[in-house]
Amino acid sequence: DTGVSQNPRHKITKRGQNVTFRCDPISEHNRLYWYRQTLGQGPEFLTYFQNEAQLEKSRLLSDRFSAERPKGSFSTLEIQRTEQGDSAMYLCASSYGGGDNQPQHFGDGTRLSIL
Amino acid sequence: GENVEQHPSTLSVQEGDSAVIKCTYSDSASNYFPWYKQELGKGPQLIIDIRSNVGEKKDQRIAVTLNKTAKHFSLHITETQPEDSAVYFCASNTGTASKLTFGTGTRLQVTL
Repeated sequence: DTGVSQNPRHKITKRGQNVTFRCDPISEHNRLYWYRQTLGQGPEFLTYFQNEAQLEKSRLLSDRFSAERPKGSFSTLEIQRTEQGDSAMYLCASSYGGGDNQPQHFGDGTRLSIL
Repeated sequence: GENVEQHPSTLSVQEGDSAVIKCTYSDSASNYFPWYKQELGKGPQLIIDIRSNVGEKKDQRIAVTLNKTAKHFSLHITETQPEDSAVYFCASNTGTASKLTFGTGTRLQVTL
């Protein structure tokens, strides 16, 4: 069990650029979640997958955001035309999907800074 | 939607003392309540969780209590140590949904 892995750890980009983050969940965890955390706040839910199916999206996930999990393993989160307000820590978590309310285990996140 | 309130926002205790963090939730359908510890530059680490069919759960120096009627749950850390210093988050789910709603965090500082 190597834990949830996220890459890159840090991303600095100019406003208007596109960015993509990757998350590798704990092996055999078929649920994968994306959260966003701003300074001094708790994580906020963005979206989650069961296997390759995206089952729920928060209204925080504007049309500039897209997430995929094509083979039910790793996931990517893309932000197009980045804005200053997108600066945050993007966290990925995974859980075993055998029923609801299984413990979610987080990675160390990707910190996005928009110049 | 679900709302989770957490108090206090900061807590300073002396090494060896106990620390208590309290949370309230709004959705009566919530039935899963995890607690996470987050250190600087790291992601949240699950330290204990409780389900609504249980009133209390203990794991060494950490315990969590749940009062479903009052819709509040608490984290208790006994015999605090400097390495307990971190930000602690409570969270709850919404019914059968898997997503978690987090509190705003408590920064715990354990002083020597």
